[in-house]
Amino acid sequence: LAKTTQPISMDSYEGQEVNITCSHNNIATNDYITWYQQFPSQGPRFIIQGYKTKVTNEVASLFIPADRKSSTLSLPRVSLSDTAVYYCLVAPSNDYKLSFGAGTTVTVRA
Amino acid sequence: EAQVTQNPRYLITVTGKKLTVTCSQNMNHEYMSWYRQDPGLGLRQIYYSMNVEVTDKGDVPEGYKVSRKEKRNFPLILESPSPNQTSLYFCASSSSGNEETQYFGPGTRLLVL
Repeated sequence: LAKTTQPISMDSYEGQEVNITCSHNNIATNDYITWYQQFPSQGPRFIIQGYKTKVTNEVASLFIPADRKSSTLSLPRVSLSDTAVYYCLVAPSNDYKLSFGAGTTVTVRA
Repeated sequence: EAQVTQNPRYLITVTGKKLTVTCSQNMNHEYMSWYRQDPGLGLRQIYYSMNVEVTDKGDVPEGYKVSRKEKRNFPLILESPSPNQTSLYFCASSSSGNEETQYFGPGTRLLVL
């Protein structure tokens, strides 16, 4: 099971770019990296998933270096509504367990 | 509408009184799981199920039971709840496995007195 490590919290201001880096040193060859967003009193929801290099969608970008031992979620021009907990998840291809960890609490201020 | 539903959403009970939290999904998903969320500890997986009649322990299974008699339902059973099981519980499902996108329910807030 690939263990992930990410910062506990980050502060930002509206309009700035927020980058959250997740470390997953023992990621396996077939493992994908997925990020989820959770607002207070709601269940997490999928943001983005990637295997290598860069993935972009309407919400975020995900950068994964060649060694895949880390990944960075980039939120462009954040607003107050982006205040949430963000989870980096590596789902093992040889196990059915999932470990979300504590996530990163991102607080966006006006 | 594709969704995962949980009932009840809020529950206050007393120590030792058996309770069941239901979870149902309408997406024909094979993989379902239960999590508890506590301050500072994030989401921890309690049990998961790969398909009907196939379940296994997650990271924190003690004090909980599950069953998967039908594909759409995955109830969480607390046979003898204790105060340390006071938590926010989430059910989730995905199409075929843990690498697929997980769809979460709205959560059940449980208080055990």
